[in-house]
Amino acid sequence: DMKVTQMPRYLIKRMGENVLLECGQDMSHETMYWYRQDPGLGLQLIYISYDVDSNSEGDIPKGYRVSRKKREHFSLILDSAKTNQTSVYFCASSLRGNQDTQYFGPGTRLLVL
Amino acid sequence: AQKVTQTQTSISVMEKTTVTMDCVYETQDSSYFLFWYKQTASGEIVFLIRQDSYKKENATVGHYSLNFQKPKSSIGLIITATQIEDSAVYFCAMREGATGYQNFYFGKGTSLTVIP
Repeated sequence: DMKVTQMPRYLIKRMGENVLLECGQDMSHETMYWYRQDPGLGLQLIYISYDVDSNSEGDIPKGYRVSRKKREHFSLILDSAKTNQTSVYFCASSLRGNQDTQYFGPGTRLLVL
Repeated sequence: AQKVTQTQTSISVMEKTTVTMDCVYETQDSSYFLFWYKQTASGEIVFLIRQDSYKKENATVGHYSLNFQKPKSSIGLIITATQIEDSAVYFCAMREGATGYQNFYFGKGTSLTVIP
């Protein structure tokens, strides 16, 4: 069963704390993505990873960094979280071919107080 | 500039009718791929249907079909015989064909409400 998982599903942090969001996939997809979704703004790409240790900034990378040490895992790190990073974060994965769709995880709802 | 634009913020239709959701896109690539996704009330995002730019036939999957008008850079999603469970937010997305560039561009979504 093809699946993208995200942990945790819900998280409350205080401003200035570090945040680690984890994503896993069991499809051996080369490419993985992190998005955030805010009301009225749709999905905004934070980072894209083409494979292990091959990461590129997306449209809104400021305040975030990522780590991909295994093909099946992709982490999003917020060093010293800010209140404007309160959002829903989605991880996705896809095969490398441009005709291939993305598969999305269930999302992580992050509240930064 | 927005590469994928969905101008309809929300639509309401009666159950069992047909609805069309609009999407226009911008690209310089001769080859590209267009996708529609559905986001349910629970937040789950699922892939629905894809159109390859080089194909003239409109894609169809179940009660979803596409109206691909390449000269107008338009890819409409048509849902026939709508059901209550079709109520969701629908996103249009484009993936360009340039080798090695694997970004997806998303529209901001259209919220569909199906009224019983």
